[in-house]
Parts: sequence; structure tokens; C-alpha cells
Amino acid sequence: QVQLQESGPGLVKPSETLSLTCSVSGSSIRSGYFWGWIRQPPGKGLEWIGNIYYSGSTYYNPSLMSRVTISVDTPKNLFSLKLSSVTAADTAVYYCASAISNSAALDYWGQGTLVTVSS
Amino acid sequence: IQLTQSPSFLSASVGDRVTITCRASQAFSNYLAWYQQKPGRAPKLLIYAASTLQSGVPSRFSGSGSWTEFTLTISSLQPDDYATYYCQQLNTYPYSFGQGTKLEIK
Repeated sequence: QVQLQESGPGLVKPSETLSLTCSVSGSSIRSGYFWGWIRQPPGKGLEWIGNIYYSGSTYYNPSLMSRVTISVDTPKNLFSLKLSSVTAADTAVYYCASAISNSAALDYWGQGTLVTVSS
Repeated sequence: IQLTQSPSFLSASVGDRVTITCRASQAFSNYLAWYQQKPGRAPKLLIYAASTLQSGVPSRFSGSGSWTEFTLTISSLQPDDYATYYCQQLNTYPYSFGQGTKLEIK
């Protein structure tokens, strides 16, 4: 059974870099179609952050592109998110997700982790 | 591609037939998914490729549509279906979500 688990600091100071990892179990990170990050500010809707393919190709939300990096660590079977120069507007629940069975949907999701940006 | 869901809020009774619409700012064929999200939980995939039911999802859920208009239908609403529903297009980068439809008990 495929499982994704986010980990990282729950509190980040303004202007610093938010760093999260998503550990994958039950599947090799080589075998999925793509892996991605989505966030949800408190009480609001879902926002797509970006995707990474096993080849290393990445695609990002234009509104975040200048600040975001997604990478894959194949030996550790995980992928990561870095978001720099954070502000209070980046406070959200961050989800990692994957398209494993097909490329037409995110079929597996992590439980999500709340990241608060505050001094 | 911008996705607009309607309605944003929906109040319905157990047993009702419910339809949620997702309209796209640009036409695309069928890389459209529907998710269900309950409070404090991650989204759950219901439908992919516009009309294919994800394994394990009850058959009362169905999806249809193409180009600029897609719909999610619940044929007979059950108590477990009260949640927020999102559409997502995976046809063109940047991928995008609709703003969500909150389905409440009438």
C-alpha cells in the first residue's frame, strides 16, 4: 500500500526558507508518473505548487516560481519542497501527493502538515 | 487554465441527486479530476480522466463532460458525502484547482 508522509518544521520565521520532505513507502519513486506539492491556507481552497518527474523535470505555479524548488532523492525514496523568503501568506497545510497509477490525477496524498510563518 | 466551480455552496438532503459543475477558461479534452475533502483530512480522489471512477469509490459518484464543462454527480446523497469537492485540471501546466464546492446538510 502506497503511503506518503510529510515532515518538516511546523514554524518558520518570515524571510526564511520553508523546507519539507515527503517520504514514500510502498512504491519506488522511480515508478510513479509524477510527484507534487499542494497547499491549503486555513479555511481556503487548494493551491497547486508544483510537480517533479523522475527524470528531474519540474513544473511550478507561476505565482511561486521565483521562490520554489522541488527535488527528488532517489536513494532515500523521497522528494522535497523548498520555498524561500516566506511571509505570513505562506501559512498553510502543505500536502505531498503522487500520480502513481495514471497521469490524469493525484491518486495518493500525504496527511498534510501545517506550516505557520511567524516570528 | 482557470477552473470555476458552481455552486460554491450547496445544501441538500440525504437521497437527493446533486450535480456540481466545473467550467474551464480554455478547452481541453479530459484530464480533469474530482476530489472530496473532509475537514482536517487530505483530499481523496473520486474521478479521473473526467469520467473514470477511482477504485473503491461508490458507484453513486459519476463524472462527465469535456472541453470547457465538466460535472460531478452524486446520484443519491448519503450522510458520508457531506464534504467539500474540488475539480483539478491536469491537461496543461500550470495545473489548477477549482475554488471548491461545499456540500452541506439541508
